[in-house]
Formats: sequence, structure tokens, C-alpha cells
Amino acid sequence: GAVVSQHPSWVICKSGTSVKIECRSLDFQATTMFWYRQFPKQSLMLMATSNEGSKATYEQGVEKDKFLINHASLTLSTLTVTSAHPEDSSFYICSAKGSIYEQYFGPGTRLTVT
Amino acid sequence: EDQVTQSPEALRLQEGESSSLNCSYTVSGLRGLFWYRQDPGKGPEFLFTLYSAGEEKEKERLKATLTKKESFLHITAPKPEDSATYLCAVQAPNTGNQFYFGTGTSLTVIP
Repeated sequence: GAVVSQHPSWVICKSGTSVKIECRSLDFQATTMFWYRQFPKQSLMLMATSNEGSKATYEQGVEKDKFLINHASLTLSTLTVTSAHPEDSSFYICSAKGSIYEQYFGPGTRLTVT
Repeated sequence: EDQVTQSPEALRLQEGESSSLNCSYTVSGLRGLFWYRQDPGKGPEFLFTLYSAGEEKEKERLKATLTKKESFLHITAPKPEDSATYLCAVQAPNTGNQFYFGTGTSLTVIP
């Protein structure tokens, strides 16, 4: 149980285009999901907290107009990177909050902006 | 400021050589301490949750323990497939649902 999927697993896009990443909880409902980014050999950095049916809460320094988050249902949250630039290239990971305090992570999405 | 520190940063072990990884924290009113395993290019895989000092949990060759200031992840007779980065995270009342992550310990087990 507690499986989280992400799609796509990797994506290459041209600078200036937008990319959407999906995060789904497959066997449980998640009212809260989180989006992280991770640079090579570094730990996870929380970008935003996504609550179903309400606006996402962004961490300081994260541009909400650039990283659009939509938590449309209890099993799906999406992250759209708008007008992507090479510096947005990173490993993006989502997680879903479990029944108590735990978080279950997706497999991650590798974004490369050329 | 609340902090989570993991040590060592990297650890190389011979197969069968037991050792421990450390996660020290300074958050007040800990709600939970979480251990994850992360393989390169993949998301973290949940291992354990510890809620209170004195608690222990085991899974195969791994055993996690918790005190009021730190947690240890003990690895007994490791195998090469245990090679990964091990992350710990804490959650405290003032963080809402958020986790504070440590920077991880990269474990390499040599056959």
C-alpha cells in the first residue's frame, strides 16, 4: 500500500516552454501533497505544500507564478513549470501525506531544459 | 532554528561489517522522525517512523532507534544491495505537515 506515482519519469524540453508533471496516490487518498526538488548530491528541498481544493502554499524563494500547482482531486496533484529555463533543470519529487504524519514519495521526474 | 544533521556524510563498509548512521535533531516537540532510503535517480523509499524516545523498529538488517536528541540507523551485516543514501526527516508541531530533511548519508557496501 501507499504507492505514489509520477509522470513522466523524465522529460526534455526547450527553453521557454512549459512542462506539466503529475503526481498520483494510487491506493490511498491524499488531502495533502508536497513538491520537492533535488539537486545532485543534495537533499530534498521543499517547494510547496498542496492541499486538495485550495491554493498551494509556497516556500520562501519559490516563484508561485513559475511553478503552478493544482491539487484537483484527492489522488492527483500537478506541477507545471512555466517558461522553463536551463536553471530549472532538476529532479522533481512529489510526496503524499499518509494517515498520520508520514509521507510517501513518488519515483521522481528528471527535467532537463535545453 | 530547527535543524537536522546526519553523519557521517559518506560511509564505506565491507560486506558483513556492521555500523550505525546518526541523525541528530534540535526540533522542539518532535512529532515523528522518519528514515528513508534513496537510490540514485529515484524517490525516497519509506523505512521507519519513530515517535518517542526509547522506541525501536527493525526491518531485515536495519534497526532504528530514537533518543530525545538523535536517532541511529543500525545496519547489521550489510550486503552490497544496501548501498544507497539514507535520509532522515523530522516533523515538529511548528512545521505543520512539513518535514525537515537531513543531507543524508551515502552508504557503499563493498563485496
